[in-house]
Amino acid sequence: GEDVEQSLFLSVREGDSSVINCTYTDSSSTYLYWYKQEPGAGLQLLTYIFSNMDMKQDQRLTVLLNKKDKHLSLRIADTQTGDSAIYFCADGNTGGFKTIFGAGTRLFVKA
Amino acid sequence: DTGVSQDPRHKITKRGQNVTFRCDPISEHNRLYWYRQTLGQGPEFLTYFQNEAQLEKSRLLSDRFSAERPKGSFSTLEIQRTEQGDSAMYLCASSLGTGNNEQFFGPGTRLTVL
Repeated sequence: GEDVEQSLFLSVREGDSSVINCTYTDSSSTYLYWYKQEPGAGLQLLTYIFSNMDMKQDQRLTVLLNKKDKHLSLRIADTQTGDSAIYFCADGNTGGFKTIFGAGTRLFVKA
Repeated sequence: DTGVSQDPRHKITKRGQNVTFRCDPISEHNRLYWYRQTLGQGPEFLTYFQNEAQLEKSRLLSDRFSAERPKGSFSTLEIQRTEQGDSAMYLCASSLGTGNNEQFFGPGTRLTVL
């Protein structure tokens, strides 16, 4: 079945860039998403990319998609302590009604 | 508050009891999803509704689990004869089903089965 894998932890210093990587197996993905979950809060959509795009930039966030390798990454520029959270990569397949989530990458930002 | 709401936020029950959770989606959203999240894992898809029709159920969903969305608005998720392995956070999400199909998540119901 479909699967999404992510590294579990990432630690960076405040002001550095963070890069969170994700791989997926579904060939029929329509959209790929990055969700953010802060302690005690629900998941919120951070950004997304349509499957026919290679890159999307949104302020401090850059999403890169390598469809051939089924690899997705999220780069956060000038990482701040407020960016400390769990980041979930998610694969929305054709029709978009079944979204498969990775286990999440815990980002720690050191001041 | 116009977001997705879930009730109760916490539920502690004894093994073998039945529990029911409620989800109220964003009012204009026609799609509603249930997920289960355990510690250290991402949300795991359970089931999905388009209006009142349940269109997909996960193979992982045993017959002790049932979900309804009778009028295409709120939804309930019932777990019968709960087991300790059912302890988890149960998340509800809703979406418009258009564009990027962004799902809006509720705060979840944390179930503890003793």
